[in-house]
Amino acid sequence: DAGVTQSPTHLIKTRGQHVTLRCSPISGHKSVSWYQQVLGQGPQFIFQYYEKEERGRGNFPDRFSARQFPNYSSELNVNALLLGDSALYLCASSLGRWNSGANVLTFGAGSRLTVL
Amino acid sequence: AQKVTQAQTEISVVEKEDVTLDCVYETRDTTYYLFWYKQPPSGELVFLIRRNSFDEQNEISGRYSWNFQKSTSSFNFTITASQVVDSAVYFCALSEASGTYKYIFGTGTRLKVLA
Repeated sequence: DAGVTQSPTHLIKTRGQHVTLRCSPISGHKSVSWYQQVLGQGPQFIFQYYEKEERGRGNFPDRFSARQFPNYSSELNVNALLLGDSALYLCASSLGRWNSGANVLTFGAGSRLTVL
Repeated sequence: AQKVTQAQTEISVVEKEDVTLDCVYETRDTTYYLFWYKQPPSGELVFLIRRNSFDEQNEISGRYSWNFQKSTSSFNFTITASQVVDSAVYFCALSEASGTYKYIFGTGTRLKVLA
């Protein structure tokens, strides 16, 4: 079975541009979460979506937005890119209820964004 | 406030040595979950273990073992007879039972196993 797939794997943008990152969860997983991992740090929570609704949002500016589609895939959008947005963006899916802390997250390999 | 501290930034060991990775957490919840993930150079976080706050039994899985102690808010991870393939960044994470469903990760410990 396919795991969590993310695209693109690498991309380079310039300041002020917009980026869209895509994620396909494991088949049957209805919850998708996004995390930002800056070099040398642990992942930081950005969003969680469950059944196409936003269920949680981390401490990120409004330049960050996301959505989940009827097939449970998801997009993360970042507007007006800053140098500090350079990071590995990880998508994770889980099988259980959206509000259970027991859920095990399965992560994709990430999209590495470089902002010049 | 939730917090996970991994004080060891980087550890280097020689193959076949045992190594322990430390994790200390902070939470006000009585019900919570702790996790360990491994991140190889490919970038994908690989799940290793989950423990809940009511289960303090230590666990052994092959060369891996975990020591959960609520009294010291620690959840340490030991690799016995380390191998070069164990080289990776290891993250400890905390998830609370209520509220926003999210993981709080530590800053990770980079383990280098030298042949």
